[in-house]
This record gives sequence, structure tokens and C-alpha cells, in this order.
Amino acid sequence: DTEVTQTPKHLVMGMTNKKSLKCEQHMGHRAMYWYKQKAKKPPELMFVYSYEKLSINESVPSRFSPECPNSSLLNLHLHALQPEDSALYLCASSPGPTGANVLTFGAGSRLTVL
Amino acid sequence: TQLLEQSPQFLSIQEGENLTVYCNSSSVFSSLQWYRQEPGEGPVLLVTVVTGGEVKKLKRLTFQFGDARKDSSLHITAAQPGDTGLYLCAGKPLRAGNNRKLIWGLGTSLAVNP
Repeated sequence: DTEVTQTPKHLVMGMTNKKSLKCEQHMGHRAMYWYKQKAKKPPELMFVYSYEKLSINESVPSRFSPECPNSSLLNLHLHALQPEDSALYLCASSPGPTGANVLTFGAGSRLTVL
Repeated sequence: TQLLEQSPQFLSIQEGENLTVYCNSSSVFSSLQWYRQEPGEGPVLLVTVVTGGEVKKLKRLTFQFGDARKDSSLHITAAQPGDTGLYLCAGKPLRAGNNRKLIWGLGTSLAVNP
């Protein structure tokens, strides 16, 4: 299995809703990432988990809350989001524990905040 | 702050034409990755270049890493509509550190018209 699977593919939520994005990989990768991407722009790093521990938080607002239940799963909990948070949220994984390895990306979750 | 300047940002060409995308920096990278992202999908790794002066070929795509490992180029020969997408370069900083992150170029949005 050489994939990173993200669900849901599309999500529409109001500013008072609580929702979660999920990500799964079975490649034995030790680092997992959340990126945010706006149209035709590069991905912006949000969080890195290394060996299931949060190693990088790029000063992301607390309305985004990551969770790594085990080495294969990564969640992003969303609460009280703003319309400007609408974007494609990409999960990625890499074999090594550091933040600058070659990445395998999922297809993304397209989030719209109304 | 390390930067990767990618150019051009947008490119619209006819099928059969050649093109080159550039990523330049004043900083040295230990390696540089090129990704392609199609609409509705996550970025997919095309190649990693590691050695200064290295040239790698992937069918009609030729990747080059500068001798000083500060710049890289992607050349596409006889572009086809299937080459349409967002091309992203990402550099791995030379300086060691557990939290080092990839440095991303701004991306090149390529449209190849039939």
C-alpha cells in the first residue's frame, strides 16, 4: 500500500460547526503532516508529527487541533472556523522522522466554510 | 529566511512546444524535489535531485540541479495536454536540525492547449 487516504474529500461547514478531517497511511512512515493549500499556490505547512509526537506547529490558530492516535492515523479537528479557512487541506507522510523528507501526499480534503 | 524563487508563475503553451521552469535561491540545498499537482489531487513527486550538476530524465522531462546546489530547472520537451498542472519545487535545507522543513517555490501553473 503506497497511498495516503484522506476523508472526506469535500466538506462544507458553518462557522459554529465542529468537524474533523482524517488521514491514514500504511507505508510505515514515521512522519505525518498537515498542509493547507489555496488555489494555484504552494502548500503551507501547518503541523508535523514525528513518531506520533507533535514536532512542528507553524503558529496555527487554535481553531485547528491536530491529533495522532497512532502511527498510521492523523486527524485535524476543526472548530469555529472562518471563511478564510476555506482551502484544500493536504495530509502527507514521509519515511524519515524529520520535517524535510520526500513526501507522499493524499488527494486532499476540500473545505468550504460558510 | 530561505527562499526558493520559481518562475514563471503561469505558462500557457500549445501542444508540441518546449518549456523550462526555474527554481533559484541564494541558499544551498542538500536536495531538491519536484512535484506535479493535477486539479483535485495532491502533489505527486516527480524526482529528487541530490548531487550538484546532476541531470535526471523522466520521459520528456529533464531535471537539472545546479553545480552549487542553489538552483534547479525542469525542461519539458514537446509538451502534451496531459502535462497540464501545477509544478512545485521544494528544497531540503542544508543546515542540520530535527525540525528543518521543506522550502517551497511558489509554483508554476502550466496549461498545455491541444
